[in-house]
Amino acid sequence: KAGVTQTPRYLIKTRGQQVTLSCSPISGHRSVSWYQQTPGQGLQFLFEYFSETQRNKGNFPGRFSGRQFSNSRSEMNVSTLELGDSALYLCASRTGGGISTDTQYFGPGTRLTVL
Amino acid sequence: AQTVTQSQPEMSVQEAETVTLSCTYDTSESDYYLFWYKQPPSRQMILVIRQEAYKQQNATENRFSVNFQKAAKSFSLKISDSQLGDAAMYFCAYRSAENYGQNFVFGPGTRLSVLP
Repeated sequence: KAGVTQTPRYLIKTRGQQVTLSCSPISGHRSVSWYQQTPGQGLQFLFEYFSETQRNKGNFPGRFSGRQFSNSRSEMNVSTLELGDSALYLCASRTGGGISTDTQYFGPGTRLTVL
Repeated sequence: AQTVTQSQPEMSVQEAETVTLSCTYDTSESDYYLFWYKQPPSRQMILVIRQEAYKQQNATENRFSVNFQKAAKSFSLKISDSQLGDAAMYFCAYRSAENYGQNFVFGPGTRLSVLP
């Protein structure tokens, strides 16, 4: 099975712009979670989508949004970029249902730099 | 809400030696799963090992093993015969088995250095 893929891998934007990141989960996985990772704050949960619905949400401003499509692919959008949004954005997928073997698998991440 | 704590921000170990990374968690649930993830400098998070709370036997994956103490809510990772490739950030994580819709909870991580 192919793993979780994320595009693009690297992105450079300027303050005030918006950005869209994409994540394709492992085949059969219906849950996609997004995390922001920075040296100062560590790994912070953004949100989780399951069957096209946001199921969980972290403590991030409304500039951060996401969606999930019927094929479980997910996109994350950040509007009005700030310097502090520079981070590694990780996507993770899992089956999301009530099975005991449900484990989260991560993609390689998108490195976003805001200038 | 569940929380996961890793009290050692950084650790180092000599190549071929053994090192133990600590993790404690707080939960009121009796059924759950615990994980250790590794994030090397390449940044790809990799699952190292997984433990079901209802199993008394500690999980083992080659040189990686855990010491799961349910009553103490402790879940440490032991790496035997440490190799240079083990140098990475290690995250401990919790997942509820009673509420499968609940998201994974991660600890802050421990950075492990392996000295040649």
